[in-house]
Amino acid sequence: QKEVEQNSGPLSVPEGAIASLNCTYSDRGSQSFFWYRQYSGKSPELIMFIYSNGDKEDGRFTAQLNKASQYVSLLIRDSQPSDSATYLCAVSPVMDSNYQLIWGAGTKLIIKP
Amino acid sequence: EPEVTQTPSHQVTQMGQEVILRCVPISNHLYFYWYRQILGQKVEFLVSFYNNEISEKSEIFDDQFSVERPDGSNFTLKIRSTKLEDSAMYFCASSDEGLRSYGYTFGSGTRLTVV
Repeated sequence: QKEVEQNSGPLSVPEGAIASLNCTYSDRGSQSFFWYRQYSGKSPELIMFIYSNGDKEDGRFTAQLNKASQYVSLLIRDSQPSDSATYLCAVSPVMDSNYQLIWGAGTKLIIKP
Repeated sequence: EPEVTQTPSHQVTQMGQEVILRCVPISNHLYFYWYRQILGQKVEFLVSFYNNEISEKSEIFDDQFSVERPDGSNFTLKIRSTKLEDSAMYFCASSDEGLRSYGYTFGSGTRLTVV
């Protein structure tokens, strides 16, 4: 059973600080990794994707991938109250599938003004 | 910015009734998906569709479910005889190159309530 694990939180971070969100996955063959943001009652919105080991930066967001440890993280710098949401980690088990994503349950992030 | 459109936003139906959820994917996308999310739970894959046929489906996508692309723009999910446990948010998504590209674009969802 392929699994994606996230701490459900809530993770509370002061405004302006760095929020660090973590995700582990069980399928060592996984190739593509995605972070989505989901506001309550809304659909997931793609924030970042990463395929290669290391860091990938986009504005205030940095995704980090360590395939040896089967670990992917998302850092949010200069956190804003509008970043308060549930962050979903999703993994593509590309060796088995070109189409579906396996999802974590999400980490609820609260940015405190 | 192009978006995936879903209708209706909320559907209430009686148990045993058929429902059709509608989606208009982004026009140049080739891969289409349905996912669902029961309140407070994980997003779950239902089915993917490419080249006018189902490419993958999950265990959830049993004989009660079907998908169709009746014309060049719409992509529908039909549930033949709804059960209480079908109550969930249903998300349609599309992508241009499958997961080898940049992930999905999700629609805003249809909240299905079975009573």
